[in-house]
Amino acid sequence: TQLLEQSPQFLSIQEGENLTVYCNSSSVFSSLQWYRQEPGEGPVLLVTVVTGGEVKKLKRLTFQFGDARKDSSLHITAAQPGDTGLYLCAASGGSNYKLTFGKGTLLTVNP
Amino acid sequence: DTGVSQDPRHKITKRGQNVTFRCDPISEHNRLYWYRQTLGQGPEFLTYFQNEAQLEKSRLLSDRFSAERPKGSFSTLEIQRTEQGDSAMYLCASSPPGLAFYNEQFFGPGTRLTVL
Repeated sequence: TQLLEQSPQFLSIQEGENLTVYCNSSSVFSSLQWYRQEPGEGPVLLVTVVTGGEVKKLKRLTFQFGDARKDSSLHITAAQPGDTGLYLCAASGGSNYKLTFGKGTLLTVNP
Repeated sequence: DTGVSQDPRHKITKRGQNVTFRCDPISEHNRLYWYRQTLGQGPEFLTYFQNEAQLEKSRLLSDRFSAERPKGSFSTLEIQRTEQGDSAMYLCASSPPGLAFYNEQFFGPGTRLTVL
């Protein structure tokens, strides 16, 4: 069973601060995805990373996939209240189409 | 371009009743997935379809749960004899044809089930 551990579980910061959240596993993944979920809604896909060491940027968000494809990080620069939400990492392996999710990091950005 | 839609958005039922949820995937997406999410947890996989074929079911999917995708388009998830432990958000996702290693799934807004 593939397990994804996300840290921290909760994060509360002030607007303008930088932050990094982590997604770790002992398993190697074919690809890893980051989602953001708001209360009462479904997860929204932010990015997919597939190559070890890959870095992708989405405006103020920077995603990195570990060299060994076992871990990933999400860095947000100059956080804004609109970044508030539950950040989930999810991964699949081999020929398996189902996604395994971490428990998420609940981010609150205070104005 | 419409995304994944789910109906109803909220369902309140009494223990022992049957409920059915519907999911309409993004058009031309051949794979459709059902997940369940409880408070403080990430979504957990329940089952998935490739076209009309149900290819995998989780152990979480007890005999009281059944899912169908009869024409390879929309899907339904039925829960019979609901229990309070079934209270959760039921999420549907779809993905386009492609290799498993690049499996981008797009989620609907979910159906929030409350069993009293």
